[in-house]
Amino acid sequence: QKEVEQDPGPLSVPEGAIVSLNCTYSNSAFQYFMWYRQYSRKGPELLMYTYSSGNKEDGRFTAQVDKSSKYISLFIRDSQPSDSATYLCAMSGMDSNYQLIWGAGTKLIIKP
Amino acid sequence: EAGVTQSPTHLIKTRGQQVTLRCSPISGHTSVYWYQQALGLGLQFLLWYDEGEERNRGNFPPRFSGRQFPNYSSELNVNALELEDSALYLCASSLVSTRNTEAFFGQGTRLTVV
Repeated sequence: QKEVEQDPGPLSVPEGAIVSLNCTYSNSAFQYFMWYRQYSRKGPELLMYTYSSGNKEDGRFTAQVDKSSKYISLFIRDSQPSDSATYLCAMSGMDSNYQLIWGAGTKLIIKP
Repeated sequence: EAGVTQSPTHLIKTRGQQVTLRCSPISGHTSVYWYQQALGLGLQFLLWYDEGEERNRGNFPPRFSGRQFPNYSSELNVNALELEDSALYLCASSLVSTRNTEAFFGQGTRLTVV
């Protein structure tokens, strides 16, 4: 079993929809949770990070962490075609010296 | 402020050759990560350098190696290239003091082995 599981998709939704992207993990020592966006043939771009449990909002993006369920989510409101990309989650914790552990990425397609 | 820069952006090599990829981190960042991303696959961790030391290594053969220089820039060397080494090689930099919560990536080097 991988440390971080992420549905590869593709996930296809109409423009304007609310998108929910998720990752589950097995290591309870993870403390920091990151979301990255990667456009085709480009390097990943950091969207936001969250420490421990709770929510964090940045514009149309909201990150949620539920440590009791070992489950994190990224919500995108009012989705736009420009949001079409692969979304990767990453996590780190003290037991791994804060090395980033990655999900496989979910490919998101926003249909105009 | 300049981001993470990688060179070259593209290159084509023949099986059996050797290649060196370069990465310049964001100014002030001491940690450099290298990843391999084959077409359609996720990030595969290769190497992690911090303060000039190798901190961790992914599950890759010894022909993948690297180093970090005193100015924190880094090189990734791949010897005896194989066809399956064709991939996007990504470098990221961060501050370990931020618990690597803000790792920034370069645009990558696309390596094609023929």
